[in-house]
Amino acid sequence: GEDVEQSLFLSVREGDSSVINCTYTDSSSTYLYWYKQEPGAGLQLLTYIFSNMDMKQDQRLTVLLNKKDKHLSLRIADTQTGDSAIYFCAESMGKGSYIPTFGRGTSLIVHP
Amino acid sequence: DAGVIQSPRHEVTEMGQEVTLRCKPISGHDYLFWYRQTMMRGLELLIYFNNNVPIDDSGMPEDRFSAKMPNASFSTLKIQPSEPRDSAVYFCASSLGGVGYTFGSGTRLTVV
Repeated sequence: GEDVEQSLFLSVREGDSSVINCTYTDSSSTYLYWYKQEPGAGLQLLTYIFSNMDMKQDQRLTVLLNKKDKHLSLRIADTQTGDSAIYFCAESMGKGSYIPTFGRGTSLIVHP
Repeated sequence: DAGVIQSPRHEVTEMGQEVTLRCKPISGHDYLFWYRQTMMRGLELLIYFNNNVPIDDSGMPEDRFSAKMPNASFSTLKIQPSEPRDSAVYFCASSLGGVGYTFGSGTRLTVV
């Protein structure tokens, strides 16, 4: 299977919370990232978390890490139409490499 | 800083022609990466450089692809001859110390 797995699509109503999930396989992963890609643009680093942390919050974004289950999630509170994008999970330092391994991305669709 | 700058934004070329994609990384960044993004394969790492030296080119699909980084502020990805299956969005990214990338806006390549 893939080293980093995400579901492909998530649809939410404007104003609701969105939770995007990710699982990874390498327990030596040290950095875990969330990137956002808007249509026609490159990937933009949203946030990252070190593997020795359980949670990180930044305004409407909350990242939760369950290292035992190798599960990472991104929660977006009060989701807006401008949050519609593809969200990529990535990990690095698995296998000792700084180079991130990216998931396939989750398309978040926010409807009114 | 203007971020990672890629040119051209769009390129349409005929099969068999040479294509050159260009990238200017963020000043001071010591890593540069070339990625290819397609619906079928997601985001693929093609090659990366550290301090202008190619470190890993195992992701380059075949000998038709080549990449250079003659100095710290410029890199090229060349495809010669191009084929329709090379159609994709090509991203350049740079980072400092290999952690947390900044992506360019990409070059959308269409080979007809």
